Amino acid sequence: NAGVTQTPKFRVLKTGQSMTLLCAQDMNHEYMYWYRQDPGMGLRLIHYSVGEGTTAKGEVPDGYNVSRLKKQNFLLGLESAAPSQTSVYFCASSNRLESYNEQFFGPGTRLTVL
Amino acid sequence: GQNIDQPTEMTATEGAIVQINCTYQTSGFNGLFWYQQHAGEAPTFLSYNVLDGLEEKGRFSSFLSRSKGYSYLLLKELQMKDSASYLCAVTDSNYQLIWGAGTKLIIKP
Repeated sequence: NAGVTQTPKFRVLKTGQSMTLLCAQDMNHEYMYWYRQDPGMGLRLIHYSVGEGTTAKGEVPDGYNVSRLKKQNFLLGLESAAPSQTSVYFCASSNRLESYNEQFFGPGTRLTVL
Repeated sequence: GQNIDQPTEMTATEGAIVQINCTYQTSGFNGLFWYQQHAGEAPTFLSYNVLDGLEEKGRFSSFLSRSKGYSYLLLKELQMKDSASYLCAVTDSNYQLIWGAGTKLIIKP
């Protein structure tokens, strides 16, 4: 099992460009999450999904959109990138939402917006 | 607001014991996780506490006091490979994980 995979691993964008980050999991998990991680701050939830076809906003959703068309995939889009979106983005999945919701993480995408 | 506090950085010696503390103030409590994150890598699960007390797993133990909003991660017989960041996270009343900023642990020979 590959677990949770993310593509790409690195990307450099210019301000105003758009891109999509892809997350895939092969553990048949219902729940998927997108986080960003910045120096000196905890992981912050951008958006999450509780199942195929559903998405919800997290703590810092502005400037991002997501889609979950297939259970195994969760896409994160940046329509018009800004330097403030320079960060490391992690996708995670879990098989339950309630207690003991251990999350499994992908390797991360390092995004730089110039 | 919701808040999780951990020391920013700690230093310890190979072979020694270190305790990393975490205090939290969240809207509800449905469990506390500890994750390990090596530089440039993804977080990986270490431990989970939902009831008061100590959970032991090999060289690592985690303690929880819900009444005090407090947890610690205890690492024994430190090895160089334990150099990493340790993240404390609490599941709140909405079952969202609230993350601390992490404690960077530096192990010296």
